[in-house]
Amino acid sequence: GAGVSQSPSNKVTEKGKDVELRCDPISGHTALYWYRQSLGQGLEFLIYFQGNSAPDKSGLPSDRFSAERTGGSVSTLTIQRTQQEDSAVYLCASSPQGLGEKLFFGSGTQLSVL
Amino acid sequence: GESVGLHLPTLSVQEGDNSIINCAYSNSASDYFIWYKQESGKGPQFIIDIRSNMDKRQGQRVTVLLNKTVKHLSLQIAATQPGDSAVYFCAENIAGGTSYGKLTFGQGTILTVHP
Repeated sequence: GAGVSQSPSNKVTEKGKDVELRCDPISGHTALYWYRQSLGQGLEFLIYFQGNSAPDKSGLPSDRFSAERTGGSVSTLTIQRTQQEDSAVYLCASSPQGLGEKLFFGSGTQLSVL
Repeated sequence: GESVGLHLPTLSVQEGDNSIINCAYSNSASDYFIWYKQESGKGPQFIIDIRSNMDKRQGQRVTVLLNKTVKHLSLQIAATQPGDSAVYFCAENIAGGTSYGKLTFGQGTILTVHP
């Protein structure tokens, strides 16, 4: 597609359930990032994938959060045993090389944990 | 994270006025800076970027100024239009170690343009 695609656009879940968020980056982009944006706040880095290198997971807030990127393209962010404080917009971005360049963002997934 | 709370700085201007949005960054090692615009319900959209070897860069109706001495970044929007109403974020790339696009974002500024 022309841009970064995320699905679902909205997800409502109950506390304690697991959720999976999907990101399709721009074709040909080797770097993929997940950020989290809480209401009225800036973007918090979560995880970064670059080619076949080991991902940088330094921003994941707890071991309930994990992400994978299959075939160097699509990525899935999984949150296990969701908590109310996980409610936020989860944004995915990609960039051509991941070397100090601008990121292209998707529209995000609005996650609401009840 | 960079978040400091729910009360984002706000800037309210009249259509046609020039707008200046400011951002202070914390890391003197940062060497790449970006301004993003985020409209409600959308992801951040790239506006303009600048590298640390420059102090000014111009785009269409926008200018970014970088003052490394005081670690300050500003975005100037000329002839502001109602469509410019959005939240504006500055972001910095922390160099050192592995240099990649792990951007650190500021808290954002809400720009409201009145017709």
